Parts: sequence; C-alpha cells; structure tokens
Amino acid sequence: EAEVAQSPRYKITEKSQAVAFWCDPISGHATLYWYRQILGQGPELLVQFQDESVVDDSQLPKDRFSAERLKGVDSTLKIQPAELGDSAMYLCASGQGVSITGELFFGEGSRLTVL
Amino acid sequence: KQEVTQIPAALSVPEGENLVLNCSFTDSAIYNLQWFRQDPGKGLTSLLLIQSSQREQTSGRLNASLDKSSGRSTLYIAASQPGDSATYLCAVKGFGNEKLTFGTGTRLTIIP
Repeated sequence: EAEVAQSPRYKITEKSQAVAFWCDPISGHATLYWYRQILGQGPELLVQFQDESVVDDSQLPKDRFSAERLKGVDSTLKIQPAELGDSAMYLCASGQGVSITGELFFGEGSRLTVL
Repeated sequence: KQEVTQIPAALSVPEGENLVLNCSFTDSAIYNLQWFRQDPGKGLTSLLLIQSSQREQTSGRLNASLDKSSGRSTLYIAASQPGDSATYLCAVKGFGNEKLTFGTGTRLTIIP
C-alpha cells in the first residue's frame, strides 16, 4: 500500500540550530501539506503545495521557516534557527486534489524536540 | 474562519460497549469531513471520509454520519475493543482551497 514517507522520525536539537524535515508523498499526488501538531492539540497547517507552487503559507513563520517542493514531488521543511516553542510533531500529508475524493493521507510524522 | 470542536476531550468505556464520538463545526460550507485515528507518537490514519453530499459512511465497526445543516458529525464505534484505544480527530475541508481544519481530538480508552 502506498504511503507518505517522512524522515527523520525523531530529531533532538538545541535552540538556534538548523533542522530539516523531508517528505515523499504518495506517487502521483499533486497536493502536499505540512502540518504542525503541538502535544494535545490538533494539527495546524503550515504550508500547502499544488505541484511545485505554494498555495497557502499564511501560517508559516517565514522569519525562521521555509518549505520547498522544487520538482513537484518530494518536499523539505526547514527551521532556522530553532526555538524552544518549535518542539512539536511535524506531519506531512498528500492528496490527489479536490477534483478527486479530496482525501488526505498522512505520514508517520517527525517529532522535534528543541532543548 | 472555520472552527472544529470535539467533545469530550477524553472518554473511557468498558470493552464491548458501543460508543459515539462527536464533532461540530461552525461553517457548514464544507467540501468533506474526514475522521482520523492517531496512536501516541504516531501519524494520522484515515478512517472514514464523508463527502458533503453524503449522510454517512461505514467501514467495518465504524460508522460516521454528517449533518451539514447543524454542523455536526458523529463517529460510531460498535463493540469496542482495547485496540480501539487512541485519539480520534475529525477534520473538515472547505471549498476553494483544500485546507483541512482539525478538531483537538477525543482521547478514547477502552477498558478490558
């Protein structure tokens, strides 16, 4: 069964360091999303891609976060410099697009701990 | 702005009982609603997807209903099992863009 792949699963870093997360969506999925989930809360959208274009990054803290999907396939989310409040689960999801079922599929997530 | 609420935040029931989880949303103009399961420290697993034109969807012991006019959805779990213990999240997708807005989840514990 096709899955959304994410790495690393766990990352521990000190504040002010740079971190990067990688996501490989299900093959053929045009839309890709990065969500952040703080413990005990629901996921919140950081950035949404349609192919290689950003559709929505209104909630992305652009002073320290960046995201790219250069070839419209896999994607990287970067944080520089990391802050204590960035400790969270970073979830990637992909979908075929609203013209199909609109269902989203999530990866296992990347757990970030900032010390 | 769409807001999604799930009450209660936590629920414990004895094994074998049927149970209902609730989800409410403020804007009825939704494209679809999706229920997810999340085990501790893990990602989200899609359980059921209901399109805005549908009233319910079923998968095994799970049944999800949707009442757009009242802004409510329920997830019914029949004959609960300890393996059903997890956090259950609902999320709605609006028109125009494909953003999912999530509730904060209900943490379900099935007592053996």
